[in-house]
Amino acid sequence: QQPVQSPQAVILREGEDAVINCSSSKALYSVHWYRQKHGEAPVFLMILLKGGEQKGHDKISASFNEKKQQSSLYLTASQLSYSGTYFCSGSARQLTFGSGTQLTVLP
Amino acid sequence: EAQVTQNPRYLITVTGKKLTVTCSQNMNHEYMSWYRQDPGLGLRQIYYSMNVEVTDKGDVPEGYKVSRKEKRNFPLILESPSPNQTSLYFCASSLRIGASSTGELFFGEGSRLTVL
Repeated sequence: QQPVQSPQAVILREGEDAVINCSSSKALYSVHWYRQKHGEAPVFLMILLKGGEQKGHDKISASFNEKKQQSSLYLTASQLSYSGTYFCSGSARQLTFGSGTQLTVLP
Repeated sequence: EAQVTQNPRYLITVTGKKLTVTCSQNMNHEYMSWYRQDPGLGLRQIYYSMNVEVTDKGDVPEGYKVSRKEKRNFPLILESPSPNQTSLYFCASSLRIGASSTGELFFGEGSRLTVL
């Protein structure tokens, strides 16, 4: 029942771009994206409430395709501070999380 | 300050000794939830509550109990802990979830539980 994320892990150089995908088997009202640094609680990045909606947060943006129940997170010109594990979360009656994508940005 | 508070933050216990992890939020949120996090498995939902006296099982409810007698509190109870419940636990809350969802999930700092 958890959303499926891909890739599981990605390693980048500073300044490179990355895309993280999230797919759900059940209908969602919205999609959330979170980032978790090692040893800390997840931190909210953004929520996408409508199908097709795209939102941005600094150089991080996301889209939500309601028909396909898929969302993608786009990290542009990645910075060292982007390192962490990224989770998507689907909101239907409850909020369940994907298994996460570990992103490492190297200098 | 708006926050979700969990206690204890760290606990080592033995098999079979009942324990409760408390969770309290001061934001008047309707939705509260418990997750456990294990390496490689992400955040798995244990139980959630849409409002006072309304609780539902998540994906991994076995061995856990919850109650929601007051809006601000959502304790997680392990009646007879076993070693496979050794994990990092997060409590979280949100104003509401679903079609009228308006925003983010706020997390507590986490409770690291070890069952020997």
